[in-house]
Amino acid sequence: DAEITQSPRHKITETGRQVTLACHQTWNHNNMFWYRQDLGHGLRLIHYSYGVQDTNKGEVSDGYSVSRSNTEDLPLTLESAASSQTSVYFCASGPNTGELFFGEGSRLTVL
Amino acid sequence: DQQVKQNSPSLSVQEGRISILNCDYTNSMFDYFLWYKKYPAEGPTFLISISSIKDKNEDGRFTVFLNKSAKHLSLHIVPSQPGDSAVYFCAASVGQFYFGTGTSLTVIP
Repeated sequence: DAEITQSPRHKITETGRQVTLACHQTWNHNNMFWYRQDLGHGLRLIHYSYGVQDTNKGEVSDGYSVSRSNTEDLPLTLESAASSQTSVYFCASGPNTGELFFGEGSRLTVL
Repeated sequence: DQQVKQNSPSLSVQEGRISILNCDYTNSMFDYFLWYKKYPAEGPTFLISISSIKDKNEDGRFTVFLNKSAKHLSLHIVPSQPGDSAVYFCAASVGQFYFGTGTSLTVIP
């Protein structure tokens, strides 16, 4: 069965470290998204991609970057982790029309 | 500025009764609306959707209503079951997907 997987599921890091969260989907979807979920804010869009070599900033993109070198993967990188980036991160993918399919989430703690 | 709003952070309903979850949006360009359900420690899962050209879509116990003039979306769950207890997010799309802040539904046995 096609799926979307995120790794690691849990990560503890220190302020200033670089962190990369992986996202891999086997649906062959063009569109991939990264969201963060925080209490009182719901799901906020960080970055998204509509295809290989395409990346776009979302509403909370500062301090994050993504790259799309193939259809299946959209890794999210925190260049220099900050305590404000402690959150649960969700990757999602979807076809050009229709719903998004979400991964299980990656819980990141920045100490 | 939040384009999709869920003004009720929580809702409690007796088993067997109707649950009504509400959502308001500001962007009249949204052309597709969705509801997602989320259990703790899991990713959101798609529940039901509606196109902007319709005003109602039904799938079993779940019905979504769209009132474009009021920019209002609602999800009706009838009858409510304890397994429906979860956080529900509404979302609206115009290319990107914008999510509300979620409503935590508790169905009391």
